[in-house]
Amino acid sequence: ETGVTQTPRHLVMGMTNKKSLKCEQHLGHNAMYWYKQSAKKPLELMFVYNFKEQTENNSVPSRFSPECPNSSHLFLHLHTLQPEDSALYLCASSQDDVFRGNGETQYFGPGTRLLVL
Amino acid sequence: GQNIDQPTEMTATEGAIVQINCTYQTSGFNGLFWYQQHAGEAPTFLSYNVLDGLEEKGRFSSFLSRSKGYSYLLLKELQMKDSASYLCAVNNQGGKLIFGQGTELSVKP
Repeated sequence: ETGVTQTPRHLVMGMTNKKSLKCEQHLGHNAMYWYKQSAKKPLELMFVYNFKEQTENNSVPSRFSPECPNSSHLFLHLHTLQPEDSALYLCASSQDDVFRGNGETQYFGPGTRLLVL
Repeated sequence: GQNIDQPTEMTATEGAIVQINCTYQTSGFNGLFWYQQHAGEAPTFLSYNVLDGLEEKGRFSSFLSRSKGYSYLLLKELQMKDSASYLCAVNNQGGKLIFGQGTELSVKP
């Protein structure tokens, strides 16, 4: 148990649907992250939030919209996705934003397996 | 550019020792992480190296040479449950965690 939970664990959606992924961390951390993991590819950083403020958007298409209402919760709102967006979406948290260069360890949730039809 | 290289797949025998290598070329360096990821599960933290040398933690050890842009993860007394993907990740000075594609380790009886 890593202290980071994600729901749903599996999601199938059509290209015209709107859905949201939820992440919650119970570790008292201040930074939260969204990553995309596609088959046979490295984890790709999507967004970073530090103290509820977005500090990084890694050139992610606007059909992915993050929301961070507080330091414990992070959402990823999805709309008009494409089949190539099918992947495992991982949430992570760390004590502080790695951009400060402290090398803070990130703790990952189990991910949401997304299939876009 | 940013580049993290590690072998795609490795196979080893239960009870043996295996070394998973990682080489990196990044715009900066502020530490290297190893994570373990079982199929369908979250990546879990194994080790962090920021200084040259060997860090030992039970059956797992991690080595770093910053001058060579090189790290390895050493797994001793392999067990079947060690079958997983092992991810090498570098924290560059820009602050991003850059991941390699992972090494799929299969432990055979």
